[in-house]
Amino acid sequence: GAVVSQHPSWVICKSGTSVKIECRSLDFQATTMFWYRQFPKQSLMLMATSNEGSKATYEQGVEKDKFLINHASLTLSTLTVTSAHPEDSSFYICSARGQSGESEAFFGQGTRLTVV
Amino acid sequence: GESVGLHLPTLSVQEGDNSIINCAYSNSASDYFIWYKQESGKGPQFIIDIRSNMDKRQGQRVTVLLNKTVKHLSLQIAATQPGDSAVYFCAARDDKIIFGKGTRLHILP
Repeated sequence: GAVVSQHPSWVICKSGTSVKIECRSLDFQATTMFWYRQFPKQSLMLMATSNEGSKATYEQGVEKDKFLINHASLTLSTLTVTSAHPEDSSFYICSARGQSGESEAFFGQGTRLTVV
Repeated sequence: GESVGLHLPTLSVQEGDNSIINCAYSNSASDYFIWYKQESGKGPQFIIDIRSNMDKRQGQRVTVLLNKTVKHLSLQIAATQPGDSAVYFCAARDDKIIFGKGTRLHILP
């Protein structure tokens, strides 16, 4: 299957700072990318959907000003957690899908964010 | 919206036995379903998928069954191995992939 790479795989930051997580599709062009958040022993919760060149669509309850998503190219999407707080500590996972109509989406390995 | 849930949070299976993980969904319009395996600290890994025009699909050691009448799908893993230990999620896909709660599969030696 196709490869989706996230960076960093883990990060620790201080409260009030911002953290950027990158999601890259390495061998295909990702028309659509999805960002998920997963708390311990819970399922993946979809945060937002981004299409290349368009503004992201956020799920209900997700603050778009706090979780900035940029999908400027067909191989890169970024999630920036602004003014991070301890409650933002979580496992963030991206997923990428190729051409519209393709069913399978490929997942990154996840980024563990710890805010201290 | 879609709601996808699993019946059991934890399933313990003897090594070598078959495992069956169940999932219920609520949106009868969902037409594509996926099973994922997630190991600790990693992203979900695609296992097998099925479209709503099918009721069964087989892969290597895995089989997915879809019952649209009762909106239920299951994942069967044959001859469960220690490497199968993970959390398994069912997911329904329309424009986006919505995950169920997950079942942790624990393999007994």
